[in-house]
Amino acid sequence: AQSVTQPDIHITVSEGASLELRCNYSYGATPYLFWYVQSPGQGLQLLLKYFSGDTLVQGIKGFEAEFKRSQSSFNLRKPSVHWSDAAEYFCAVGPISGGSYIPTFGRGTSLIVHP
Amino acid sequence: DTGVSQDPRHKITKRGQNVTFRCDPISEHNRLYWYRQTLGQGPEFLTYFQNEAQLEKSRLLSDRFSAERPKGSFSTLEIQRTEQGDSAMYLCASSAGLAGVDEQFFGPGTRLTVL
Repeated sequence: AQSVTQPDIHITVSEGASLELRCNYSYGATPYLFWYVQSPGQGLQLLLKYFSGDTLVQGIKGFEAEFKRSQSSFNLRKPSVHWSDAAEYFCAVGPISGGSYIPTFGRGTSLIVHP
Repeated sequence: DTGVSQDPRHKITKRGQNVTFRCDPISEHNRLYWYRQTLGQGPEFLTYFQNEAQLEKSRLLSDRFSAERPKGSFSTLEIQRTEQGDSAMYLCASSAGLAGVDEQFFGPGTRLTVL
């Protein structure tokens, strides 16, 4: 069975500082990996995804993530955090079923940004 | 295109009552997904539709849960005989159903409180 671990429940950074959110997964085959962001009152929004190829993936809003198979990790990074990045971040891994993916989500990491 | 909409946004009910939630996907999207998200957790997949066909329903939480998409457009999720443990956010997502893995777009969710 697949699973996702986000070891940090909360992360606090200062505006302008760099950010790394950790994600470790367990999956029996080549994983399909995703990062989503959820702001209060908003739906989840896909930041980026990895299926194959280049292990460094660029996403929206200046985020990137690196797939490391040897470490079973898919950490999310941003070089300079903005106050508007404060939100809940979810890592997900999913198989393909009938042409669609059915993701398993981690419990999320809450990002707090100090001015 | 106004995105995925869900109605109601909030629902308070008494234990034992039935509730029904509606999801309107992005027009022309032929896949529709339902998730449940409890406090402090990531979304948990429940079921999904390809047009009006329900392709995966084994993860519905119990036989009290059912979903329909009769005309391949909007969908409803019904919970019968609600229990306090059903209190959660219920999320809907849709995707275009393109070849390969296509992005799911999430609605804002319906928050259910069972008293």
